[in-house]
Amino acid sequence: EVQLVESGGGLVKPGGSLRLSCAASGFTFSTYTMNWVRQAPGKGLEWVSSISSSSSYIYYADSLKGRFTISRDNAKNSLYLYINTLRAEDTAIYYCAREEVDDVFDLWGQGTMVTVSS
Amino acid sequence: SSELTQDPAVSVAVGQTVRITCQGDSLRIYYATWYQQKPGQAPVLVIYGKRSRPSGIPDRFSGSSSGNTTSLTITGAQAEDEADYYCSSRDISGNYLVFGGGTKLTV
Repeated sequence: EVQLVESGGGLVKPGGSLRLSCAASGFTFSTYTMNWVRQAPGKGLEWVSSISSSSSYIYYADSLKGRFTISRDNAKNSLYLYINTLRAEDTAIYYCAREEVDDVFDLWGQGTMVTVSS
Repeated sequence: SSELTQDPAVSVAVGQTVRITCQGDSLRIYYATWYQQKPGQAPVLVIYGKRSRPSGIPDRFSGSSSGNTTSLTITGAQAEDEADYYCSSRDISGNYLVFGGGTKLTV
């Protein structure tokens, strides 16, 4: 089955860090650009970051640069997002998404919830 | 604030046609993509490119654009179409992907 499954979310104190994972299956992960998109409770979608198939090109939302690091391991069919110095406003569901063609996300995971609270 | 502007809410009667719009200067240059999101679920791709639909998306969903506005039209809306709809595209610099604020469709 073609799917993406995120994990690693949870309750974290402000200032803490977290690594989110996204396990891909059912398709050739190494050939796709991958993305992270987040959604704060009751709010809209916010693009976070993208990484090209071979990790040659990495981009971040301007407002998030510096605290977020995207990476991937094609041998493990996995995508990662490391977030440090977590803030309350980082509380959100974090989705990984496959980029079929430029900026078009045709496959999404079910998301993993990150809650930043003391 | 988003560089893509959507009406917060739109309503339509079952069987009628509804148009959901997305406005932004970058849409004069870049295509928009449309996603449907139902409560508690991940977004689903419904329209991309000039007016392409992924397999499995009913043909009552269509896309169009004119100037700085792109539209998602549902012809003959069904109860199951009730959802939030988001457009996405590049920002005017072309450097970043942005989403519209979303439109809550009530059927």
